[in-house]
Amino acid sequence: DAGITQSPRYKITETGRQVTLMCHQTWSHSYMFWYRQDLGHGLRLIYYSAAADITDKGEVPDGYVVSRSKTENFPLTLESATRSQTSVYFCASGTVSNQPQHFGDGTRLSIL
Amino acid sequence: AQSVTQLDSQVPVFEEAPVELRCNYSSSVSVYLFWYVQYPNQGLQLLLKYLSGSTLVKGINGFEAEFNKSQTSFHLRKPSVHISDTAEYFCAVGFQKLVFGTGTRLLVSP
Repeated sequence: DAGITQSPRYKITETGRQVTLMCHQTWSHSYMFWYRQDLGHGLRLIYYSAAADITDKGEVPDGYVVSRSKTENFPLTLESATRSQTSVYFCASGTVSNQPQHFGDGTRLSIL
Repeated sequence: AQSVTQLDSQVPVFEEAPVELRCNYSSSVSVYLFWYVQYPNQGLQLLLKYLSGSTLVKGINGFEAEFNKSQTSFHLRKPSVHISDTAEYFCAVGFQKLVFGTGTRLLVSP
């Protein structure tokens, strides 16, 4: 079935560690997005990608790194996790630059 | 820059009653407008969007929204809600990049 899959669904780690959140889509959508969802803030865009090897910063990119070597994958890496990065992270895909159409079920990340 | 305000953090309503979820936005340029729904432990789903044309937009699950340029609003409505409509609803605006509101939790009781 076509869809968008995030892994892991839950992750607990410690400050200073590197952690990578995975995102895989089977829609063959050009655009992919990473958002974080925090109480009182709604969703905020971290990074997005228009195609393989093309990425750009969103509203809150500091402390995050992305790559997109293949159209279907868009991993998000926290190079040195901080407590302020405790959040729920959503990956999304779409066919138009500013319109995420399909979201994954999210990764709940806790940094101790 | 754009901004979005969802005035109500929570809206309780009885089943089969009508509901309106309010969204106001601020922008110096023309924007696109969206409503998304998020069910518990799931990602967001696109309910409807306004890009241009008719100001009344119909979406999935019986929802509709009306774009009012003079009042800079894009309120979401449904004439008769079901228990299954209980969820969080997000308004979003933008042209190049979307800005999301903080969400409104719709609680439908029997």
